[in-house]
Amino acid sequence: GENVEQHPSTLSVQEGDSAVIKCTYSDSASNYFPWYKQELGKRPQLIIDIRSNVGEKKDQRIAVTLNKTAKHFSLHITETQPEDSAVYFCAARVYGNNRLAFGKGNQVVVIP
Amino acid sequence: GAGVSQSPSNKVTEKGKDVELRCDPISGHTALYWYRQSLGQGLEFLIYFQGNSAPDKSGLPSDRFSAERTGGSVSTLTIQRTQQEDSAVYLCASSLEGSNSPLHFGNGTRLTVT
Repeated sequence: GENVEQHPSTLSVQEGDSAVIKCTYSDSASNYFPWYKQELGKRPQLIIDIRSNVGEKKDQRIAVTLNKTAKHFSLHITETQPEDSAVYFCAARVYGNNRLAFGKGNQVVVIP
Repeated sequence: GAGVSQSPSNKVTEKGKDVELRCDPISGHTALYWYRQSLGQGLEFLIYFQGNSAPDKSGLPSDRFSAERTGGSVSTLTIQRTQQEDSAVYLCASSLEGSNSPLHFGNGTRLTVT
C-alpha cells in the first residue's frame, strides 16, 4: 500500500519566518494529497489539498507544491504566526483506493 | 451544522474487557472512516465504509477489532478482549463521498486500557 513519510519531525521557526514541510510518497498512482493541521487536544482539520493534475496551490499564507516525478509534495507557510503552532499531517490517496494514508506528522513550533 | 460526533470522549477499561466506540457522521456524508492515533504517531487507517458497499477492513490490526455501520449513518467500533497496546485515540471521520472529498474528523475517543 501507499507509504507516506514526513520530514522533519519537528520544526521551530521565528515568528514571521517561513516554514516548509516535505512529504514523500511511494505509489506513483497516488492522485490526491491533503494537508491536515492538528492543534493540541483538537481534531485534525483540512487546511489545503492538491490533486495530481496541478503543480501548486495557494491559499493566503499557505501553499502546497507537488513534484510527481520525485514523488514528493511540500507545505509552505509564510509569515508564520504563533497560532500556526501545531502538528501537520500530510496524506496521499492512490487512485481508485479508499484508504487515505497519513504521514506521522510534523510538530511546528512558532517562536514569538 | 453539526460536525462528526464521537462518544465517549474518554474511556478507561481493564485489560480483557470489551469496548464499543460510537461515531455519528455529518448528515449526508456517505463515507465513514476509523483511524487510530497513538501517542506521537500518525493516523493509522482502520476501516472505511462507503454507502452500501462492503467495508474496507484492510487496516484492522487483529480479529479483536470489528466495526459496523447501521443504516448508512452511525458506526460502532468494537474492540474485544482489550490489550494495553490498544490504548490510543480513536478518530472517526466522514466525507461526502469516497473519492477526493475532504475528511471531517470527530474529536476522537481516548481509550486507556489498564
